[in-house]
Amino acid sequence: KAGVTQTPRYLIKTRGQQVTLSCSPISGHRSVSWYQQTPGQGLQFLFEYFSETQRNKGNFPGRFSGRQFSNSRSEMNVSTLELGDSALYLCASSLFPQGRTGALEQYFGPGTRLTVT
Amino acid sequence: AQTVTQSQPEMSVQEAETVTLSCTYDTSESDYYLFWYKQPPSRQMILVIRQEAYKQQNATENRFSVNFQKAAKSFSLKISDSQLGDAAMYFCAYRRNTGTASKLTFGTGTRLQVTL
Repeated sequence: KAGVTQTPRYLIKTRGQQVTLSCSPISGHRSVSWYQQTPGQGLQFLFEYFSETQRNKGNFPGRFSGRQFSNSRSEMNVSTLELGDSALYLCASSLFPQGRTGALEQYFGPGTRLTVT
Repeated sequence: AQTVTQSQPEMSVQEAETVTLSCTYDTSESDYYLFWYKQPPSRQMILVIRQEAYKQQNATENRFSVNFQKAAKSFSLKISDSQLGDAAMYFCAYRRNTGTASKLTFGTGTRLQVTL
């Protein structure tokens, strides 16, 4: 079974631009979460989607948004990019958002390395 | 809010030896899960082991085991018979088991070096 895929793997953008990152979860997984990883702030939760609905959102400005499609694929968008948005953006998928067996495990993708200049 | 603390930024272990990585957390919840994730230089985050707070028995996965002390809010990872492939960043993570959120709260990580 194919793992979580993220595209693109690397991206360079200029301040003020916007960017869209894509995540395809493992087949059958319906929950997708996004995380931002930076050397200074570590791993921080951005948001989670399940059944095309945002279920939870981290403490990020409104410039960060996302959506999920009916096939569970998810995109996140960052508008008006700032230098501080440079980070590794990780996507994780799981069967469902909650549960006591199996569904708990989140599988991470390889990430998209975003550099803002 | 829940917090996860990893007080060891870097650790080193010789091949075949045993190393323990520390993690403490703070929460007012009673039902939650704890995880150790490994992130090798390739950057793909991999689940190493998980512990359910309502289970008193410490989780074990081959060479990896945890020491879960719920009262002390401590969750350490022991790696036995260390191998070169164990070199990576290790993150301790917490997830509550209420509601529908899958949010993981991560510690700052411990970089593990494995030497010959």
